[in-house]
Amino acid sequence: DAGITQSPRHKVTETGTPVTLRCHQTENHRYMYWYRQDPGHGLRLIHYSYGVKDTDKGEVSDGYSVSRSKTEDFLLTLESATSSQTSVYFCAISDGDRDGYTFGSGTRLTVV
Amino acid sequence: KNQVEQSPQSLIILEGKNCTLQCNYTVSPFSNLRWYKQDTGRGPVSLTIMTFSENTKSNGRYTATLDADTKQSSLHITASQLSDSASYICVVSGGSYIPTFGRGTSLIVHP
Repeated sequence: DAGITQSPRHKVTETGTPVTLRCHQTENHRYMYWYRQDPGHGLRLIHYSYGVKDTDKGEVSDGYSVSRSKTEDFLLTLESATSSQTSVYFCAISDGDRDGYTFGSGTRLTVV
Repeated sequence: KNQVEQSPQSLIILEGKNCTLQCNYTVSPFSNLRWYKQDTGRGPVSLTIMTFSENTKSNGRYTATLDADTKQSSLHITASQLSDSASYICVVSGGSYIPTFGRGTSLIVHP
């Protein structure tokens, strides 16, 4: 989607390796989010950020960490990938509740 | 706990037919409700947004309704097209910057 890009789009990695996914925005929005989407569960919040260096945990944060050193970038790190982290990961941005949420195109991660 | 329940879980209709998707929520306080469309392999895209004072909002062939008293919303699709095949997600915001997502309704439109 315009203004937000995720990289990589696809990744296969081995169990136990660290993995970093990147979300980049050009909208200067304050809020950034990482979600995972699995069949039967819908979108579940992993971590979110409400400003540079301001982050907090979502409902499924175990095994994940995030960093936001610049307004435009929000990184999601799987510290030691497990097969249960095989999923599609979406980044979203927002400038406030009234403005809605714009999603990236997703990263399909497979942990083998 | 804030919750958003959508029904049906999945739906199959013939091209040209109408359909209605349902969303019930228990989010409090309530700020706004959005419907998103998610095509396979893509991120969700916003269709409509409604605040407490709005009870109907249209976007082309998509019409959303909101009953804030019963905490129910519906998304009506008129004269369905093959391109309407997607997942439709109801998202309710309570004034914070953490919305509550429904699990979505998967719609398949057959020719």
